[in-house]
Amino acid sequence: KQEVTQIPAALSVPEGENLVLNCSFTDSAIYNLQWFRQDPGKGLTSLLLIQSSQREQTSGRLNASLDKSSGRSTLYIAASQPGDSATYLCAVKGQGAQKLVFGQGTRLTINP
Amino acid sequence: GAGVSQTPSNKVTEKGKYVELRCDPISGHTALYWYRQSLGQGPEFLIYFQGTGAADDSGLPNDRFFAVRPEGSVSTLKIQRTERGDSAVYLCASSRTGDTGELFFGEGSRLTVL
Repeated sequence: KQEVTQIPAALSVPEGENLVLNCSFTDSAIYNLQWFRQDPGKGLTSLLLIQSSQREQTSGRLNASLDKSSGRSTLYIAASQPGDSATYLCAVKGQGAQKLVFGQGTRLTINP
Repeated sequence: GAGVSQTPSNKVTEKGKYVELRCDPISGHTALYWYRQSLGQGPEFLIYFQGTGAADDSGLPNDRFFAVRPEGSVSTLKIQRTERGDSAVYLCASSRTGDTGELFFGEGSRLTVL
């Protein structure tokens, strides 16, 4: 059974810092990995999708990497801004499976 | 539509009542998912539809929960004899089969059982 863990559960940093959020998964036989952002009381917004054959994906100030063999992904946020404050969730889709399995998320606060 | 639409956005009901939550996926998306999210937790899978059929309902917690998608588009999640423990945000997502597999989520329906 796939299990996804995100560390830390919460993170607070001053504006302008670069930061890394971590995601680990127990079964390396994945189809893809997706990072989401969730604002309080809102749904999930897709940030980046990495296919199992890829090592990283970039969108603006965000960069997500995937190391399938070690069961890890990181989300790198450059030059953080207060508007980046949200909960970040990673989720993996297993090979042959259609559902996403989610971590519990990292609650990020960027202080002005 | 432009995105996944869920109604109602909020539903307050009494213990024992019947509830229906609706999801309208992105046009052309044949795959549809229901998830449940409790406060401070990640979403938990409930059920997955491919077209009209439930391809995986392994996440439904018990037989009080049921979902349908009769025409392969709109889906309804039905909860009978609601319990206080059913209180959560119910999220719907859709994706295009055969594509990258990226899921797109709606804003969710917040269910409160008193």
